[in-house]
Amino acid sequence: AQTVTQSQPEMSVQEAETVTLSCTYDTSESDYYLFWYKQPPSRQMILVIRQEAYKQQNATENRFSVNFQKAAKSFSLKISDSQLGDAAMYFCAYSTFQGAQKLVFGQGTRLTINP
Amino acid sequence: GAVVSQHPSWVICKSGTSVKIECRSLDFQATTMFWYRQFPKQSLMLMATSNEGSKATYEQGVEKDKFLINHASLTLSTLTVTSAHPEDSSFYICSARRGGKLFFGSGTQLSVL
Repeated sequence: AQTVTQSQPEMSVQEAETVTLSCTYDTSESDYYLFWYKQPPSRQMILVIRQEAYKQQNATENRFSVNFQKAAKSFSLKISDSQLGDAAMYFCAYSTFQGAQKLVFGQGTRLTINP
Repeated sequence: GAVVSQHPSWVICKSGTSVKIECRSLDFQATTMFWYRQFPKQSLMLMATSNEGSKATYEQGVEKDKFLINHASLTLSTLTVTSAHPEDSSFYICSARRGGKLFFGSGTQLSVL
């Protein structure tokens, strides 16, 4: 079974600075998807970024980028120029490439932005 | 973009009653939907995979007679918590797949008194 591990329960960063959230996963599959989701206090799950495992290039979405290390099974999220609105729970997630593609989530990292 | 609607947003019920939660895909057809449960300050745990026109697939440890799932159309899946008890109080979230992405409903907070 696939597992996702986020070893940082909480992180904090000064506004406008950069922060990196860590995620590791375990799978025997060669093709799969990895995601970062944001859950603000409203509890709405918001997709931040997606990475296809067959792509070597790291995904980027504006201020959000990932460092995908397939051999190490590592998938970290970098947030540049942190903004107050970035404060939320961040969940790393894995899904298979084929089949049901259900998401397996990590434990989450609570990110605080200090003004 | 894709939108998933979930209702109600919150519900309070008495112990022993049943509660139905609806999840709709608003601008696309979803043959597969997923139901998650989230306890306070914890991650999302998959309860079951809802398949249009067939029986749902439940994760290990989830009581299928307790959590009834119906996916009667390509845009609607329902989760019914039967004979609810205080330990069923939780945040329930549905999601639907479009392409390689999952989109989530806004969730339902269930409080059982």
